[in-house]
Amino acid sequence: GAVVSQHPSWVICKSGTSVKIECRSLDFQATTMFWYRQFPKQSLMLMATSNEGSKATYEQGVEKDKFLINHASLTLSTLTVTSAHPEDSSFYICSARGVGSGNTIYFGEGSWLTVV
Amino acid sequence: GEDVEQSLFLSVREGDSSVINCTYTDSSSTYLYWYKQEPGAGLQLLTYIFSNMDMKQDQRLTVLLNKKDKHLSLRIADTQTGDSAIYFCAESPTGNQFYFGTGTSLTVIP
Repeated sequence: GAVVSQHPSWVICKSGTSVKIECRSLDFQATTMFWYRQFPKQSLMLMATSNEGSKATYEQGVEKDKFLINHASLTLSTLTVTSAHPEDSSFYICSARGVGSGNTIYFGEGSWLTVV
Repeated sequence: GEDVEQSLFLSVREGDSSVINCTYTDSSSTYLYWYKQEPGAGLQLLTYIFSNMDMKQDQRLTVLLNKKDKHLSLRIADTQTGDSAIYFCAESPTGNQFYFGTGTSLTVIP
């Protein structure tokens, strides 16, 4: 089946720095990618939807200047957490669908971010 | 946003059946899903059901949908220790955006 890979799986960064998380579709062209965030014992919350070559659409309450999403190619989307703070520590997971995914959405493995 | 609710924990003995319940609010949801998340891993699609179906069976998994009550359940027959994980139900009105429940942590006792 189709594969979506995220990198890094785990990242620790200092407060005030920026960190980038990559989401790649390995064997299909991801025309649409989604970014979610999951806090402990809470559900996954959709942060934003990005279509290749377009600006991302952010969900209400998600700061677009803090969570920069770039979907410049059909196989890669990046989420950059700018000026990270400890409260940004969370599990971030992407999903993708597109040409070759059989109209199914596939999820990445997720990335654990800890801001110290 | 949509509200999808699940109980947080479920514990069963190996060999028994597990039933994980979920309620949702959007009656227009076309697709309803069950995902499994093992420690340190991403989400694995287990099964899904279209809103015009009442039941779907796939090997050890049985999904029941009560549209009137907006209630979805996942039954795992002959539960094994490898089934220990967090199970998320999700609704998707359009097939694109997903709204997830809080997840049910299933613990299988040997």
